[in-house]
Amino acid sequence: GAGVSQTPSNKVTEKGKYVELRCDPISGHTALYWYRQSLGQGPEFLIYFQGTGAADDSGLPNDRFFAVRPEGSVSTLKIQRTERGDSAMYLCASSHGTSGTDTQYFGPGTRLTVL
Amino acid sequence: AQSVTQLDSHVSVSEGTPVLLRCNYSSSYSPSLFWYVQHPNKGLQLLLKYTSAATLVKGINGFEAEFKKSETSFHLTKPSAHMSDAAEYFCVVTMNTGNQFYFGTGTSLTVIP
Repeated sequence: GAGVSQTPSNKVTEKGKYVELRCDPISGHTALYWYRQSLGQGPEFLIYFQGTGAADDSGLPNDRFFAVRPEGSVSTLKIQRTERGDSAMYLCASSHGTSGTDTQYFGPGTRLTVL
Repeated sequence: AQSVTQLDSHVSVSEGTPVLLRCNYSSSYSPSLFWYVQHPNKGLQLLLKYTSAATLVKGINGFEAEFKKSETSFHLTKPSAHMSDAAEYFCVVTMNTGNQFYFGTGTSLTVIP
């Protein structure tokens, strides 16, 4: 079956612009996660959705970052007024359940470069 | 609070020799622990996970890990390295009642022919 997909695979933008990153989770997975991975680091948690609602957004670095999941499936991570420090790999994951024992399945990521 | 320390940023082994990637964790609660592998330009793939059942966990591609509560460790091993094992490996901890994954900084494994 299809895994988690993310589009675009690469995004280059200029400082100050707005970007949207899309994630398509595995069908039937209720939980969806966004992570950010800087070069040479492990992924860092940004936000987690259970269904349509953001259950935990404690990892969002500031109010320029926002994510939605309006129908409980596809999610979009939105970044306003991008800064060079936002350059990173953005990873999406989904899981069937919502406990810490559930495996998270990751997409290939979107590499964001802010010039 | 949860955290993970991967003790080696780089490990090099010869093909056919054992692999040991070290991971220590800190958790206030009973943790679940995972190992993921990331090949270049590929997504993170689950190797194995520990969720309070058997302490010795077997995963894919011949990898296994042992949960040692007294040492707060979850080291990843493989008896014989293959060229295709060259990748970045991440140790992950999460609470059994939580959702947020806490990743280590990764260990880059090089396999020398």
